[in-house]
Amino acid sequence: GAGVSQSPSNKVTEKGKDVELRCDPISGHTALYWYRQSLGQGLEFLIYFQGNSAPDKSGLPSDRFSAERTGGSVSTLTIQRTQQEDSAVYLCASSDKLAGTDTQYFGPGTRLTVL
Amino acid sequence: DQQVKQNSPSLSVQEGRISILNCDYTNSMFDYFLWYKKYPAEGPTFLISISSIKDKNEDGRFTVFLNKSAKHLSLHIVPSQPGDSAVYFCAASGARGGADGLTFGKGTHLIIQP
Repeated sequence: GAGVSQSPSNKVTEKGKDVELRCDPISGHTALYWYRQSLGQGLEFLIYFQGNSAPDKSGLPSDRFSAERTGGSVSTLTIQRTQQEDSAVYLCASSDKLAGTDTQYFGPGTRLTVL
Repeated sequence: DQQVKQNSPSLSVQEGRISILNCDYTNSMFDYFLWYKKYPAEGPTFLISISSIKDKNEDGRFTVFLNKSAKHLSLHIVPSQPGDSAVYFCAASGARGGADGLTFGKGTHLIIQP
């Protein structure tokens, strides 16, 4: 079946603008995760959804970052008033947590560049 | 404070030989470990995982070994093939009590030499 999809694949924006990134998880996966990878770094956990609720928001780097998930499927990550340090690849993953597996499957990512 | 460490940023191995990628962790709460492979401009691809109740898991050319007392795991690829050239990330889960974002190392760039 289809894997995790993300859009857009690339986004260039000016400092101070808001951006919205979208993730479409694997059909039937109840858990959804957002990560970001800055240049030369490993993946940094941002937020996790189980269904539509986000029990763990501890990874969000500031209150400019927010995420929502509706219908237990698509999720959007919103960054308000973007800063240059927000430039990174934003990756989404999903897993079938209710099946008892923690294996997460990743999308191709959105490369965000803040000028 | 890095809880998952991959101390080798890069590793070069001859085609056909064994590639061994290493990973150390500090948090004893981790109970599930994964290896991902990443090509440029793509998302990480799941390779293999291991639960903390096991010390070895094998899948084709890939074997992961876990040494809990040393808080160390390794990925063995044998024989190494040119298509294995990629960045390999070690990841762990279980430290957040079920709200499980993975904790990743910074990756090791594996280069398979012909």
